Amino acid sequence: EDQVTQSPEALRLQEGESSSLNCSYTVSGLRGLFWYRQDPGKGPEFLFTLYSAGEEKEKERLKATLTKKESFLHITAPKPEDSATYLCAVQGGATNKLIFGTGTLLAVQP
Amino acid sequence: ETGVTQSPTHLIKTRGQQVTLRCSSQSGHNTVSWYQQALGQGPQFIFQYYREEENGRGNFPPRFSGLQFPNYSSELNVNALELDDSALYLCASSLPGQPQHFGDGTRLSIL
Repeated sequence: EDQVTQSPEALRLQEGESSSLNCSYTVSGLRGLFWYRQDPGKGPEFLFTLYSAGEEKEKERLKATLTKKESFLHITAPKPEDSATYLCAVQGGATNKLIFGTGTLLAVQP
Repeated sequence: ETGVTQSPTHLIKTRGQQVTLRCSSQSGHNTVSWYQQALGQGPQFIFQYYREEENGRGNFPPRFSGLQFPNYSSELNVNALELDDSALYLCASSLPGQPQHFGDGTRLSIL
């Protein structure tokens, strides 16, 4: 069964303190791994798509990487405005559905 | 470019009632997907529509149904509402093979 597990469930950082979020997945025929950011009361906002092991993508203070079993979202020198829930999702096989993890709630304190 | 818009933003219903939620897809996007997000959980796939045809369905009962219109907007209908249907309902639009972009959802509360 296709599955996504994210860790940690919650993470509290001081402003400027870099860290990484983990997304472990099992899926038949990975077609894409997606990272989204979700603010309270809002829908998920698309960040990155990764398609194959070894691929990396960057956007401002965020960098996403992918292996055959997991993805990492690295946050460098975070700011309070980076506080949000970060969701990981996979798309695999013949289906177009996204399978989401439960997310990591990130709080960055000034 | 207008993003995905959903209406209403909030809705309160009682058990046994029926509800219709609406979604306008991002300009040019012909694929719409619906998800249910319970508090503290990730979104769960309900179904997807492509060019007015259902194109995949998750593990939801038949009382969850949908439509897509020629302008690619979409409706989610839920009959015989249950307490467990209380959740944030998200609509996402995309082009085939492209990332899905989400609206801000409809918060449905069942009393």
